[in-house]
Parts: sequence; structure tokens; C-alpha cells
Amino acid sequence: SQQGEEDPQALSIQEGENATMNCSYKTSINNLQWYRQNSGRGLVHLILIRSNEREKHSGRLRVTLDTSKKSSSLLITASRAADTASYFCAEGSARQLTFGSGTQLTVLP
Amino acid sequence: KAGVTQTPRYLIKTRGQQVTLSCSPISGHRSVSWYQQTPGQGLQFLFEYFSETQRNKGNFPGRFSGRQFSNSRSEMNVSTLELGDSALYLCASSLTTSGLNEQFFGPGTRLTVL
Repeated sequence: SQQGEEDPQALSIQEGENATMNCSYKTSINNLQWYRQNSGRGLVHLILIRSNEREKHSGRLRVTLDTSKKSSSLLITASRAADTASYFCAEGSARQLTFGSGTQLTVLP
Repeated sequence: KAGVTQTPRYLIKTRGQQVTLSCSPISGHRSVSWYQQTPGQGLQFLFEYFSETQRNKGNFPGRFSGRQFSNSRSEMNVSTLELGDSALYLCASSLTTSGLNEQFFGPGTRLTVL
């Protein structure tokens, strides 16, 4: 399956700072989803944004979607050490969910 | 509601053997999808089952197969194991088609092939 690219591959910030991760995708989507994975565990769904939406918020998370550029970004505000994890975007279509390569976020206390 | 459960959590096999992994979805969820996660290839879609029927299949050889039972529980089987099959196998359930809704993931089965 074709996977989208995430940028950066790794990000290290201080607690309290904001973290921004970008995702470029390749197919026509129904939605774009973001997931978090703590080391070697299952994925946790964070947020889903539909193709007709441009921005969505959930707590400290803000997601934007630009379908003309086939890109999305995830902003985590006021980061905490507990936010340290891998973050994946996933292209949702009627066929399947296709994951990007992920961004490893490290939040330093 | 109980979450998605996967058994076993860890498995060690040798080349040439076969393995069966099990997944119990969240009650009421009819879609079960399987993913393989490796450091080199990332998260790759294996297949999706809905109401006991395989709806979609990823780009994996025929050694990888699965099925779903009437209670929505699913199993995946890998025959003639190869070293490259070592991976974290994740199962996810959702209400309807996997790509259209959020998916709920199990903790995964870590398979090591020696």
C-alpha cells in the first residue's frame, strides 16, 4: 500500500512548548485520522477530520486539512512529558485506512 | 465496554512453522482489520473482515490468511513462517468499514520468528 509521508520523522521539544507534525498523503480521502502509539503498544485514536472540514480541535490538539495540497498538520499545545510517543496520520477511504510513516515526538521534562 | 483484546501477546516461532493469532473486537463492532508493523515497513494493512466476509486485502502473500466468526471474533494465520514475518501484529475494530470511522486497536501480538 502507498503510505504518506510525515514530517519531521523525529521531534524533540521541552515541556510546555508546542509540537507541530505534518502529513502528506497520496490518495483521495474520505477522512484523515491521527493516532498515537506509545512504545510497542497499540494505537490510540486522537482525532478524525473529514475531507469537507478544514480544522478541528480536541482538547490540546488542533488538526488542519488542506485537500488541495493533500496535507494535514497536527498541533499539540502546551506539551507534557506524557505526550512522548509516535504519532501517525492515516488516510481513510471506503477501502481501508492507510498509515503514514509516523513522527517520533519526545517531550523533555 | 471492554476494549479490543488480542491473544497471545507474545509468540516465538521458528522458520517454517505456522501461527494463529486471535482478536476479539469491541462488543457491537462488526469490522475487524489486521495490520503488520515493522521498523522497516511501518504499519501495513493486511486485511479487513466484516460480517464474516473478507472485504479488503492488502499486498501480502497468500501465506497470510484470516477469518471472522459469527460473533465477530477474528483470527489470522501465517503459514510457513519467514524471518521477515517478525513483527507486531495489530488488530483493530470499528463499527463499519475500517477507513470511514475511528478504529480501536488492541495491544498487539509480538511475533518473533527465529
